[in-house]
Amino acid sequence: AQTVTQSQPEMSVQEAETVTLSCTYDTSENNYYLFWYKQPPSRQMILVIRQEAYKQQNATENRFSVNFQKAAKSFSLKISDSQLGDTAMYFCAFMEAIQGAQKLVFGQGTRLTINP
Amino acid sequence: DTEVTQTPKHLVMGMTNKKSLKCEQHMGHRAMYWYKQKAKKPPELMFVYSYEKLSINESVPSRFSPECPNSSLLNLHLHALQPEDSALYLCASSRATSNQPQHFGDGTRLSIL
Repeated sequence: AQTVTQSQPEMSVQEAETVTLSCTYDTSENNYYLFWYKQPPSRQMILVIRQEAYKQQNATENRFSVNFQKAAKSFSLKISDSQLGDTAMYFCAFMEAIQGAQKLVFGQGTRLTINP
Repeated sequence: DTEVTQTPKHLVMGMTNKKSLKCEQHMGHRAMYWYKQKAKKPPELMFVYSYEKLSINESVPSRFSPECPNSSLLNLHLHALQPEDSALYLCASSRATSNQPQHFGDGTRLSIL
């Protein structure tokens, strides 16, 4: 079974700083997908970024980028020029393919606070 | 605005009540999901529907009964719940292919008295 570990329960940085959230996972598969989701106090889970394991290039989405190290099974999220609206719970997730659907395995989450 | 709509947003019910949670999406997704999320914890998968058929039940107690009447709707029927069932219930949908992300609703905050 796949497992996902986020070792930082909480983090706090000043606005405009750069912050990196760590995530490691364990799998025996070779092709898979990884995601970072954000959950602000409004409750909705919002997709931040995704990475396909067969792609060597790290994914980027505006201020968000990942450092994907397949051999080390590491998938960290970097947030540049952090903003107050980035305050949220961040979950790393591994996607298992199942017939006609998919199953997400989540880490325990990192609560990120951006301070003014 | 979320593309997955859940109603109601809040629900308070007694242990003997029967209620239903509803989820609707119009993105043409053929896979739909129910999750339970306790405070400060990640979502836990409960049920998966693929092409309107139940494909995964993660050993959920029978007091939770899912239903997928059509490709756009997903219900969760509740009966005789326990206080420990109080949680945020999230619905999600995705394309049936394995490389597409799930889209989540805002959830229903359920409190059992």
